[in-house]
Amino acid sequence: DTGVSQDPRHKITKRGQNVTFRCDPISEHNRLYWYRQTLGQGPEFLTYFQNEAQLEKSRLLSDRFSAERPKGSFSTLEIQRTEQGDSAMYLCASSPRLGAPGTEAFFGQGTRLTVV
Amino acid sequence: DQQVKQNSPSLSVQEGRISILNCDYTNSMFDYFLWYKKYPAEGPTFLISISSIKDKNEDGRFTVFLNKSAKHLSLHIVPSQPGDSAVYFCAASAPLRGAQKLVFGQGTRLTINP
Repeated sequence: DTGVSQDPRHKITKRGQNVTFRCDPISEHNRLYWYRQTLGQGPEFLTYFQNEAQLEKSRLLSDRFSAERPKGSFSTLEIQRTEQGDSAMYLCASSPRLGAPGTEAFFGQGTRLTVV
Repeated sequence: DQQVKQNSPSLSVQEGRISILNCDYTNSMFDYFLWYKKYPAEGPTFLISISSIKDKNEDGRFTVFLNKSAKHLSLHIVPSQPGDSAVYFCAASAPLRGAQKLVFGQGTRLTINP
């Protein structure tokens, strides 16, 4: 499977715990994005990496959230001191350097986080 | 501030008929518009797009129309098939430091009835 891979698919955690998600993009894609989707809403942009550099962060990304992409390959998204409002689907997407329309983002299957 | 809006949360259409999904946007700086399809427990998958300099793009059963003056776009699916049942997201693309940031609408759940 050469698509975007996310792990885990589901995560249930207690409020106040830390969680970390992993995303493996399509191998030749140097751009990587994190989006968050809550119930009844469309995905919302969180952050963007070009290779290992984090170039943009949404104001939705509070200081409890941190994302990394060491060596420009896989990426991790960590949420510290989780709150119930963090419950959502976290989607990772990647895109190639120069792409035709429609290649803006290839999405993974997402990690569904439930904070209890 | 919802820059992309899909005002119909759901739509039900008879198999074989036309499905029309609508989307409105507010930001004139968007340069591309896209439609994504999402099945349960899967990520969104790209369906069709249109440049802001065009007013129509067609791909098989799917056609997207763009009305820039009204800041409105629509997706037509004809004929509709049961496999088209999914949530459809309209998205607008804006330049973001060498990449594109997608701004999504809330989605419309399309159900195709046999």
